[in-house]
Amino acid sequence: GIQVEQSPPDLILQEGANSTLRCNFSDSVNNLQWFHQNPWGQLINLFYIPSGTKQNGRLSATTVATERYSLLYISSSQTTDSGVYFCAAYTDKLIFGTGTRLQVFP
Amino acid sequence: EPEVTQTPSHQVTQMGQEVILRCVPISNHLYFYWYRQILGQKVEFLVSFYNNEISEKSEIFDDQFSVERPDGSNFTLKIRSTKLEDSAMYFCASPQGYGYTFGSGTRLTVV
Repeated sequence: GIQVEQSPPDLILQEGANSTLRCNFSDSVNNLQWFHQNPWGQLINLFYIPSGTKQNGRLSATTVATERYSLLYISSSQTTDSGVYFCAAYTDKLIFGTGTRLQVFP
Repeated sequence: EPEVTQTPSHQVTQMGQEVILRCVPISNHLYFYWYRQILGQKVEFLVSFYNNEISEKSEIFDDQFSVERPDGSNFTLKIRSTKLEDSAMYFCASPQGYGYTFGSGTRLTVV
Protein backbone atom coordinates (compact mmCIF):
# COMPACT_ATOMS: atom_id res chain seq x y z
CA GLY A 1 0.00 0.00 0.00
CA ILE A 2 0.89 3.65 -0.24
CA GLN A 3 3.47 5.04 2.18
CA VAL A 4 3.22 8.57 3.51
CA GLU A 5 6.25 10.12 5.19
CA GLN A 6 6.53 13.51 6.85
CA SER A 7 9.49 15.65 7.82
CA PRO A 8 10.77 16.93 10.08
CA PRO A 9 9.36 14.75 12.89
CA ASP A 10 9.79 17.57 15.40
CA LEU A 11 10.03 21.31 15.04
CA ILE A 12 10.57 23.92 17.72
CA LEU A 13 10.03 27.57 16.86
CA GLN A 14 9.87 30.90 18.51
CA GLU A 15 6.71 32.89 18.00
CA GLY A 16 6.84 34.87 14.76
CA ALA A 17 9.04 32.42 12.87
CA ASN A 18 8.11 30.76 9.58
CA SER A 19 8.23 27.04 8.88
CA THR A 20 7.79 24.49 6.12
CA LEU A 21 6.51 20.97 6.70
CA ARG A 22 6.93 18.31 4.05
CA CYS A 23 4.84 15.27 3.09
CA ASN A 24 6.09 12.64 0.64
CA PHE A 25 3.86 9.90 -0.72
CA SER A 26 4.98 6.79 -2.53
CA ASP A 27 2.32 6.52 -5.24
CA SER A 28 -0.27 8.52 -7.14
CA VAL A 29 -3.13 9.70 -4.97
CA ASN A 30 -6.64 10.97 -5.61
CA ASN A 31 -6.38 13.70 -3.03
CA LEU A 32 -4.31 14.93 -0.13
CA GLN A 33 -5.39 16.57 3.11
CA TRP A 34 -3.53 18.41 5.85
CA PHE A 35 -4.78 18.21 9.43
CA HIS A 36 -3.80 19.91 12.66
CA GLN A 37 -4.19 17.81 15.78
CA ASN A 38 -4.66 20.17 18.69
CA PRO A 39 -3.58 19.46 22.29
CA TRP A 40 -7.04 17.98 23.00
CA GLY A 41 -6.53 15.40 20.26
CA GLN A 42 -9.01 16.79 17.76
CA LEU A 43 -8.17 16.52 14.05
CA ILE A 44 -8.89 19.82 12.38
CA ASN A 45 -9.12 20.03 8.58
CA LEU A 46 -6.64 22.53 7.18
CA PHE A 47 -6.55 21.90 3.46
CA TYR A 48 -7.82 19.56 0.84
CA ILE A 49 -5.19 19.94 -1.86
CA PRO A 50 -4.71 17.22 -4.49
CA SER A 51 -2.62 19.64 -6.57
CA GLY A 52 -1.68 23.29 -6.80
CA THR A 53 -1.52 25.89 -4.06
CA LYS A 54 -4.07 27.11 -1.52
CA GLN A 55 -3.86 29.75 1.18
CA ASN A 56 -5.85 30.31 4.33
CA GLY A 57 -4.60 33.20 6.43
CA ARG A 58 -1.10 32.47 7.71
CA LEU A 59 -1.19 28.94 6.34
CA SER A 60 -0.69 27.83 2.79
CA ALA A 61 -0.14 24.47 1.11
CA THR A 62 1.29 23.30 -2.17
CA THR A 63 1.01 19.84 -3.69
CA VAL A 64 3.11 18.72 -6.65
CA ALA A 65 1.30 15.52 -7.54
CA THR A 66 3.70 14.56 -10.35
CA GLU A 67 6.60 14.60 -7.88
CA ARG A 68 4.57 13.06 -5.05
CA TYR A 69 5.01 15.63 -2.34
CA SER A 70 3.12 18.34 -0.53
CA LEU A 71 4.33 21.27 1.57
CA LEU A 72 2.58 23.13 4.37
CA TYR A 73 3.82 26.64 5.10
CA ILE A 74 3.16 28.36 8.41
CA SER A 75 4.08 32.03 8.54
CA SER A 76 4.41 34.23 11.62
CA SER A 77 3.80 31.25 13.90
CA GLN A 78 1.80 31.64 17.08
CA THR A 79 1.70 29.53 20.24
CA THR A 80 -1.76 28.33 19.19
CA ASP A 81 -0.16 26.68 16.14
CA SER A 82 1.42 24.11 18.45
CA GLY A 83 0.34 20.52 17.99
CA VAL A 84 0.88 17.74 15.50
CA TYR A 85 0.41 18.26 11.77
CA PHE A 86 -0.60 15.28 9.68
CA CYS A 87 -0.90 14.91 5.97
CA ALA A 88 -3.14 12.13 4.68
CA ALA A 89 -3.26 10.73 1.18
CA TYR A 90 -6.42 9.31 -0.29
CA THR A 91 -6.53 6.33 -2.62
CA ASP A 92 -9.56 4.28 -1.60
CA LYS A 93 -9.19 5.47 2.01
CA LEU A 94 -7.16 8.07 3.87
CA ILE A 95 -3.65 6.97 4.80
CA PHE A 96 -2.00 9.21 7.36
CA GLY A 97 1.60 10.27 7.48
CA THR A 98 3.87 10.00 10.46
CA GLY A 99 3.22 13.57 11.61
CA THR A 100 5.29 16.64 12.49
CA ARG A 101 5.12 17.77 16.11
CA LEU A 102 5.35 21.57 16.24
CA GLN A 103 6.06 23.51 19.42
CA VAL A 104 5.89 27.29 19.29
CA PHE A 105 7.28 29.19 22.26
CA PRO A 106 6.57 32.82 23.12
CA GLU B 1 -18.62 22.94 8.51
CA PRO B 2 -20.98 20.06 9.29
CA GLU B 3 -19.95 18.08 12.34
CA VAL B 4 -19.34 14.46 13.09
CA THR B 5 -20.31 13.75 16.69
CA GLN B 6 -18.72 11.07 18.85
CA THR B 7 -19.68 9.79 22.29
CA PRO B 8 -18.38 9.31 24.86
CA SER B 9 -15.41 11.66 24.73
CA HIS B 10 -13.52 9.55 27.23
CA GLN B 11 -14.11 6.03 28.50
CA VAL B 12 -12.21 4.00 31.06
CA THR B 13 -12.85 0.28 31.09
CA GLN B 14 -11.40 -2.80 32.70
CA MET B 15 -9.52 -5.32 30.62
CA GLY B 16 -11.87 -7.96 29.23
CA GLN B 17 -14.93 -5.73 29.24
CA GLU B 18 -16.93 -4.81 26.15
CA VAL B 19 -17.09 -1.21 25.00
CA ILE B 20 -19.28 0.49 22.44
CA LEU B 21 -18.19 3.73 20.84
CA ARG B 22 -20.79 5.80 19.04
CA CYS B 23 -20.70 8.22 16.15
CA VAL B 24 -23.24 10.32 14.34
CA PRO B 25 -21.88 11.05 10.87
CA ILE B 26 -22.72 13.83 8.48
CA SER B 27 -26.23 13.06 7.32
CA ASN B 28 -27.00 11.25 4.09
CA HIS B 29 -23.50 9.91 3.67
CA LEU B 30 -23.27 6.24 2.83
CA TYR B 31 -19.52 5.98 3.44
CA PHE B 32 -18.20 5.91 6.97
CA TYR B 33 -14.79 5.19 8.50
CA TRP B 34 -13.22 4.33 11.86
CA TYR B 35 -9.62 5.15 12.66
CA ARG B 36 -7.42 4.57 15.70
CA GLN B 37 -4.50 6.50 17.15
CA ILE B 38 -2.35 4.99 19.87
CA LEU B 39 -0.85 7.74 22.03
CA GLY B 40 2.05 9.43 20.27
CA GLN B 41 1.62 7.47 17.05
CA LYS B 42 0.02 8.11 13.70
CA VAL B 43 -3.63 7.72 12.86
CA GLU B 44 -4.38 4.23 11.50
CA PHE B 45 -7.26 3.02 9.36
CA LEU B 46 -9.50 0.42 10.99
CA VAL B 47 -12.54 -0.13 8.79
CA SER B 48 -14.70 1.45 6.13
CA PHE B 49 -18.43 0.97 5.99
CA TYR B 50 -20.56 1.52 2.90
CA ASN B 51 -24.29 1.25 2.69
CA ASN B 52 -24.57 -0.86 5.84
CA GLU B 53 -21.74 -3.24 5.02
CA ILE B 54 -18.03 -3.39 5.74
CA SER B 55 -16.26 -2.48 2.51
CA GLU B 56 -12.67 -2.80 3.76
CA LYS B 57 -10.92 -3.59 7.01
CA SER B 58 -7.32 -3.43 8.14
CA GLU B 59 -5.36 -6.20 9.83
CA ILE B 60 -5.93 -4.37 13.11
CA PHE B 61 -9.67 -4.98 12.77
CA ASP B 62 -9.73 -8.54 14.06
CA ASP B 63 -12.60 -10.63 15.38
CA GLN B 64 -12.91 -8.64 18.59
CA PHE B 65 -14.04 -5.58 16.61
CA SER B 66 -17.40 -5.06 14.96
CA VAL B 67 -19.24 -2.15 13.41
CA GLU B 68 -22.94 -1.65 13.18
CA ARG B 69 -25.50 0.88 12.10
CA PRO B 70 -28.21 0.26 14.71
CA ASP B 71 -30.44 2.94 13.24
CA GLY B 72 -30.38 5.36 10.35
CA SER B 73 -28.49 8.09 12.14
CA ASN B 74 -25.57 6.59 14.03
CA PHE B 75 -22.79 4.05 13.81
CA THR B 76 -21.11 2.03 16.54
CA LEU B 77 -17.72 0.42 16.98
CA LYS B 78 -17.76 -2.45 19.44
CA ILE B 79 -14.73 -4.01 21.05
CA ARG B 80 -15.84 -7.29 22.60
CA SER B 81 -13.09 -8.06 25.09
CA THR B 82 -10.78 -5.12 25.57
CA LYS B 83 -7.04 -5.53 25.97
CA LEU B 84 -4.52 -3.07 27.37
CA GLU B 85 -3.23 -2.42 23.86
CA ASP B 86 -6.68 -1.23 22.77
CA SER B 87 -6.04 1.96 24.73
CA ALA B 88 -6.11 4.66 22.07
CA MET B 89 -8.06 7.51 20.57
CA TYR B 90 -10.77 6.28 18.22
CA PHE B 91 -12.03 8.56 15.47
CA CYS B 92 -14.91 8.24 13.07
CA ALA B 93 -14.92 10.11 9.78
CA SER B 94 -17.33 11.06 7.04
CA PRO B 95 -16.55 12.27 3.53
CA GLN B 96 -17.27 15.98 3.30
CA GLY B 97 -17.01 17.70 -0.03
CA TYR B 98 -13.69 16.65 -1.46
CA GLY B 99 -12.17 15.67 1.87
CA TYR B 100 -12.97 13.99 5.14
CA THR B 101 -14.32 15.39 8.39
CA PHE B 102 -13.34 13.67 11.60
CA GLY B 103 -15.21 13.50 14.86
CA SER B 104 -13.62 14.81 18.03
CA GLY B 105 -12.68 11.28 19.07
CA THR B 106 -13.21 8.92 21.98
CA ARG B 107 -10.23 8.39 24.23
CA LEU B 108 -10.40 4.78 25.42
CA THR B 109 -8.31 3.78 28.41
CA VAL B 110 -8.15 0.09 29.30
CA VAL B 111 -6.92 -0.65 32.83
